Formats: sequence, C-alpha cells, structure tokens
Amino acid sequence: AQSVTQLGSHVSVSEGALVLLRCNYSSSVPPYLFWYVQYPNQGLQLLLKYTSAATLVKGINGFEAEFKKSETSFHLTKPSAHMSDAAEYFCAAPRDAGNMLTFGGGTRLMVKP
Amino acid sequence: DAGVTQSPTHLIKTRGQHVTLRCSPISGHKSVSWYQQVLGQGPQFIFQYYEKEERGRGNFPDRFSARQFPNYSSELNVNALLLGDSALYLCASSLATGGRAYEQYFGPGTRLTVT
Repeated sequence: AQSVTQLGSHVSVSEGALVLLRCNYSSSVPPYLFWYVQYPNQGLQLLLKYTSAATLVKGINGFEAEFKKSETSFHLTKPSAHMSDAAEYFCAAPRDAGNMLTFGGGTRLMVKP
Repeated sequence: DAGVTQSPTHLIKTRGQHVTLRCSPISGHKSVSWYQQVLGQGPQFIFQYYEKEERGRGNFPDRFSARQFPNYSSELNVNALLLGDSALYLCASSLATGGRAYEQYFGPGTRLTVT
C-alpha cells in the first residue's frame, strides 16, 4: 500500500523567502498526488493535484510542486512566502483503488515578519 | 454553492458514551468519506460510502460505524468512547469513487473531546 512521508514537521521561513515543503511517496508510481492546506480550526483545502499529465503542477496561492520519479518526491514550493501562508500542509496519495487518501504527517509552516 | 457541512462543530463526551457525527456532501456528490485527525498528525481514513454502500474501511475498531442515506448525507457513529478517540473528524465528498482523480472536498470538521 502507498505511504507518504513528509520530512520536517515544522518549517520556519521569513516573509519573502522561498518555501520548500518536502514529500516522498513509498511504492509504485502513484497516478495522482495531492497537496492540501489546513488553516487553524478549518478543514482541508486542495492546493494542487498531480495527474501524470505534467511533472510541474501549479496550484492556488502561488504554490507549485514538481513530481520527480527518480527521487520518489513531490515537493511543494513557493518563491516568496507571505504571512497568510502560515498553516499546516499535507501531502496525500490514493490508498489503493478508488480515491480514498493516505496522508503524510503534515508540515507546519511558520512565516516570520 | 454550499460546501461540505458537518454537525456539530464541537462535542464533549465522557468515556464509554456513544456519539453520532453528521455530514452533508456538496450537492451532486454521491460519495462521502470520513477521516480522523488526531492533534499533530495527518488525517487517517476511516470509511468511504458511495450510493449508500460501503466502498472502503480503514484500520479502525468495530466501535466505529457509518452509513449513508438516500440523500447522500452520512453519519459516523462511535460507541464506547475512549480518550484516544478525541480528534477532529473530517468528512469529505466527491462526485464518485471510480477514478482516483475524483477530488475530495473537505468539510470544516467536528472536534470531539472525550473526557
């Protein structure tokens, strides 16, 4: 079964700095990968989705992610952090058949002024 | 359009009690999934229903059960509550389940505290 690992439970960056959140998947190449964001006391919001059509995926709020098969990775980046980006970020992949998801442990992004 | 709605928002229960959480999917969505998110962790899959039938079950004890109604809304029931059941319970809806591309849209969750 697929599993997802997020390196770094907490990441702190300065406003305007590059954001890099890491995600690695474990087994055979998944057909889909997702990044979700969770703001305090809210549910999950889809940031972007990889569907094998393109390795570089652009999402909302200026985020993008690159699928690298050789590294089994799907890291999330944003060129310039904004205070409003402070939140918890989750990488997810389909469990097996269907669209049920398995999530990574999450990375809390903190943005310093 | 209304998103996924869940009720109640917050709930406090005592060990050994029973709880029912409710979810209404986005209009037109026929699949509902339930996830448990313990503080500081990623969500864990509990159940998925499609057209009132169970399509998937995560690694949770039989104290957890769910059902889906003809209007596609869903209930999650937990019996004999334990302290470890304290978590945010998330409901997600999608158009269907047949393809992995069917995005899941999450509700705001129900925060359950067991004392």
